[in-house]
Amino acid sequence: EVQLVESGGGLIQPGGSLRLSCAASGFTVSSNYMSWVRQAPGKGLEWVSVIYSGGSTYYADSVKGRFTISRDNSKNTLYLQMNSLRAEDTAVYYCARWSLRNWTFDYWGQGTLVTVSS
Amino acid sequence: QSALTQPASVSGSPGQSITISCTGTSSDVGGYNYVSWYQQHPGKAPKLMIYEVSNRPSGVPDRFSGSKSGNTASLTISGLQAEDEADYYCSSYTSSSAYVFGTGTKVTVL
Repeated sequence: EVQLVESGGGLIQPGGSLRLSCAASGFTVSSNYMSWVRQAPGKGLEWVSVIYSGGSTYYADSVKGRFTISRDNSKNTLYLQMNSLRAEDTAVYYCARWSLRNWTFDYWGQGTLVTVSS
Repeated sequence: QSALTQPASVSGSPGQSITISCTGTSSDVGGYNYVSWYQQHPGKAPKLMIYEVSNRPSGVPDRFSGSKSGNTASLTISGLQAEDEADYYCSSYTSSSAYVFGTGTKVTVL
């Protein structure tokens, strides 16, 4: 059974850093495209970043230069390093698998809340 | 990377049909058949309802259907049921190797 479990969220001051983790089971992270998607309170979904199976990474303009997506193949885990955090980064962060078979985000985690506030 | 445009809200009575539109550009919706639709209930993670414009994952009722014409995709829910009340989001792959979601539509069952 495919499962994605995020962790690492919390309250952080503006300008601070935080690393989110997404532990995967039931499939191999390194063989798939993996993304982070966020949702600010009461707002819509916003795509944040993707890492391809080959290692290429892409980011939304709103986080480019501040966030870094990576993975640990030995732990089958996806990460999102978030630096220079701003109030507008406050959101629930979901990790999601992009299916190369069906070209869609087919599995999602339950999300982890990041609150940026002083 | 502008969000795809969806109506803020759509409503219908049980048993009726409703359609949600999702308008993008030739760089996303119009350029690829990688349009998906997600259902999200309050406090829950999004759930995949339609992929590649019109395909349903196993377990999704056939009341849900998708289509696309030019830069606009659509989700139709036929035979609306109380449990269909939720937020719905479209998404598309884009020409810049990125992904974009729609603004979201709140479906209310009257």
